[in-house]
Amino acid sequence: GAVVSQHPSRVICKSGTSVKIECRSLDFQATTMFWYRQFPKQSLMLMATSNEGSKATYEQGVEKDKFLINHASLTLSTLTVTSAHPEDSSFYICSAVAGTAYNEQFFGPGTRLTVL
Amino acid sequence: RKEVEQDPGPFNVPEGATVAFNCTYSNSASQSFFWYRQDCRKEPKLLMSVYSSGNEDGRFTAQLNRASQYISLLIRDSKLSDSATYLCVVNTFNTGKLIFGQGTTLQVKP
Repeated sequence: GAVVSQHPSRVICKSGTSVKIECRSLDFQATTMFWYRQFPKQSLMLMATSNEGSKATYEQGVEKDKFLINHASLTLSTLTVTSAHPEDSSFYICSAVAGTAYNEQFFGPGTRLTVL
Repeated sequence: RKEVEQDPGPFNVPEGATVAFNCTYSNSASQSFFWYRQDCRKEPKLLMSVYSSGNEDGRFTAQLNRASQYISLLIRDSKLSDSATYLCVVNTFNTGKLIFGQGTTLQVKP
């Protein structure tokens, strides 16, 4: 199956710093990528939908100025958590689809963010 | 009310047991349904899609009841390796906005 990578897999940062997470589709072109967040013992929650070459669409309650998304190419989307706070500590997962095959999402391995 | 509801468990069963998980969804317009498996601290992986006619993949059987807005997953002859969290997932508008349930945790004991 298609492969999606995320980098870094784990990051620990100080409060107030910004953290960038990369999501790459390795063997296919992803017109759409999704960013999810998962807190312990909770379900994955969609944060935003990222389309190549256009602005991301954010879900209700997700601050677009805090979670900056850039989908600069068909194989790369980045999520930057700006001015991170301890409550932003979570498991961030991206997924990617090719074309409009939305039922076939390929998930990245996730990035575990800990903000001290 | 949550859009997708599951009993979080945990379900503790012996090897070889049959176990069933249930899930309900609130939006009657939902179009696509899935079961995903998530291991601890890992990403979710698609286990199987769920169709109205019911579908089976080896030891796993999924059923969908649109009238009751209810989805089920049956695992027969449980293996230790089946221990994981099983996520019920719904795609309402065929837009890729997957709605995940909280997940049901299964622990298979020797």
